[in-house]
Amino acid sequence: GAGVSQTPSNKVTEKGKYVELRCDPISGHTALYWYRQSLGQGPEFLIYFQGTGAADDSGLPNDRFFAVRPEGSVSTLKIQRTERGDSAVYLCASSLSFAGELFFGEGSRLTVL
Amino acid sequence: AQTVTQSQPEMSVQEAETVTLSCTYDTSENNYYLFWYKQPPSRQMILVIRQEAYKQQNATENRFSVNFQKAAKSFSLKISDSQLGDTAMYFCAFMKSEGAQKLVFGQGTRLTINP
Repeated sequence: GAGVSQTPSNKVTEKGKYVELRCDPISGHTALYWYRQSLGQGPEFLIYFQGTGAADDSGLPNDRFFAVRPEGSVSTLKIQRTERGDSAVYLCASSLSFAGELFFGEGSRLTVL
Repeated sequence: AQTVTQSQPEMSVQEAETVTLSCTYDTSENNYYLFWYKQPPSRQMILVIRQEAYKQQNATENRFSVNFQKAAKSFSLKISDSQLGDTAMYFCAFMKSEGAQKLVFGQGTRLTINP
């Protein structure tokens, strides 16, 4: 695609529900990143994929958060038993190579009521 | 751990003026990269300018330039001839030169360009 695509753009859910956020990176980009941006803050790193494997998941806040990239392209961020504190914009980025420039999507805004 | 601090939550200037956004960082690394990103209301982070720490020359991209002071751990962004389209959140970010490309962002500065 022309850019990094993220769906849904906005998601409202209730506390305790399960949520999936999808990221479709730029075609051919092998590296994919997830960041979380809380209101009034800068983005914080969550997880990084090189190909299909999670090369670094040190930013995931707890075991309710999980991400996959089964075919080395599209990635899904999964959040179980959502809490109000999970409300944030979840940004995805991809790069052509390990040291390449990161291209960001427009994010998915998650609101947990 | 690395930290990035932006001490100006908001700034406002008139169109065509020059504005400087401040950023300081803390790291024990010797080799790293510094970035300024722009985030308009669309939420997409857009790379404005990038600086390699091993380069003494300050990076420049058209109307955007940086003042990189490695010893002081300071990395300010200067926007010349500001335009209405420059209105956005601006984030300073740090990345180690080795390992995963994990950006560490500051808290951001909301810049408004007034007509």
